[in-house]
Amino acid sequence: GGIITQTPKFLIGQEGQKLTLKCQQNFNHDTMYWYRQDSGKGLRLIYYSITENDLQKGDLSEGYDASREKKSSFSLTVTSAQKNEMAVFLCASSIRLGPYAEQFFGPGTRLTVL
Amino acid sequence: AQSVTQPDARVTVSEGASLQLRCKYSYSGTPYLFWYVQYQRQGLQLLLKYYSGDPVVQGVNGFEAEFSKSDSSFHLRKASVHWSDSAVYFCAASLYNYAQGLTFGLGTRVSVFP
Repeated sequence: GGIITQTPKFLIGQEGQKLTLKCQQNFNHDTMYWYRQDSGKGLRLIYYSITENDLQKGDLSEGYDASREKKSSFSLTVTSAQKNEMAVFLCASSIRLGPYAEQFFGPGTRLTVL
Repeated sequence: AQSVTQPDARVTVSEGASLQLRCKYSYSGTPYLFWYVQYQRQGLQLLLKYYSGDPVVQGVNGFEAEFSKSDSSFHLRKASVHWSDSAVYFCAASLYNYAQGLTFGLGTRVSVFP
């Protein structure tokens, strides 16, 4: 078994601020993902990474940067937080990239922008 | 466009009653199909997945789902729910060409009352 840890659990930022979310996994999985979850909009893929130092844009990548410097970690940066923004960011990993590879999810980081 | 639709935003059931959650997909081919569950303030957990074979697939905690190609559906069922089944359930799909990742429905919030 393994676990995905996301830090921080709660993140409060100011409009225009650059904010970084971190994700660690000890599954030794190759592929990692960042999703954004908004109330009423389901989950949308922001970035994913097939392996260390690889980055692939998802449907919602505008306004975000990502970094995968180690196999076990995947960071997401909100480049300029939007006023009144509220969302949950979920990190996930899978053993490899592929449609049938189960994705394991972390508990999420809840973002509030004042 | 590829999409996953969960027509019921909320479902309320009594403990011990049966549960069915609906999922319809719109894809040009037959996608890989998944059901995930999200308990409050936690990440998503995989309940079951399907690509081919027996159209009824068994999952964890007594859940099963039935695939119908003619109806483009993948409905989730449980014969007798417990209060601990209260959660949000997401249907998701992906194609073999995984470049677009998983597409999630908006989720169905299930409340089980004693």
